[in-house]
Amino acid sequence: GQQVMQIPQYQHVQEGEDFTTYCNSSTTLSNIQWYKQRPGGHPVFLIQLVKSGEVKKQKRLTFQFGEAKKNSSLHITATQTTDVGTYFCAGPRGGNTGKLIFGQGTTLQVKP
Amino acid sequence: EAGVAQSPRYKIIEKRQSVAFWCNPISGHATLYWYQQILGQGPKLLIQFQNNGVVDDSQLPKDRFSAERLKGVDSTLKIQPAKLEDSAVYLCASSVSGNSPLHFGNGTRLTVT
Repeated sequence: GQQVMQIPQYQHVQEGEDFTTYCNSSTTLSNIQWYKQRPGGHPVFLIQLVKSGEVKKQKRLTFQFGEAKKNSSLHITATQTTDVGTYFCAGPRGGNTGKLIFGQGTTLQVKP
Repeated sequence: EAGVAQSPRYKIIEKRQSVAFWCNPISGHATLYWYQQILGQGPKLLIQFQNNGVVDDSQLPKDRFSAERLKGVDSTLKIQPAKLEDSAVYLCASSVSGNSPLHFGNGTRLTVT
């Protein structure tokens, strides 16, 4: 069945360093969404990418959707302690009707 | 706007007992989801409703899990009987439509002993 994989599973960085997580789907996606889950919290929507090759920025966060619409990345520039959490990518299964399939997430730890 | 409401926040039960979770989505959101999140993993979709109809329940263990969404608003998820491996956080989410971003509730943390 359709799978969404993320790497790395964990990342420890020093505050101020950059961070990147990668997301790969076994099938072409109509869109991809990114969520952040703080420790003890629930996933919170960050962004949705729809177009092939799309790049979107949110302050220090840069999101990319691959040309083949099968992979995506999230890059954080100059991490801060507030960036701590688990970042999930999610893609719709079986077309464009919701049914979001989540990756296993990348947990980011930031040392002050 | 008010967020997705879930209750209870925590629940501890013994195996073979039954449990029910409640969810009230954001007003006007037609699509409602129940996800199971086991510690250290991503959320796994159990069931998706569009208004009061089921869109997808292919991952729902129907021998023990059931869910309903009466009148297309509130929803309940029931487990009967519970097993040890059901220990997880059960997240309810809603969205305006099937392809819109999800808004999650705080979840119910279930511990089965």
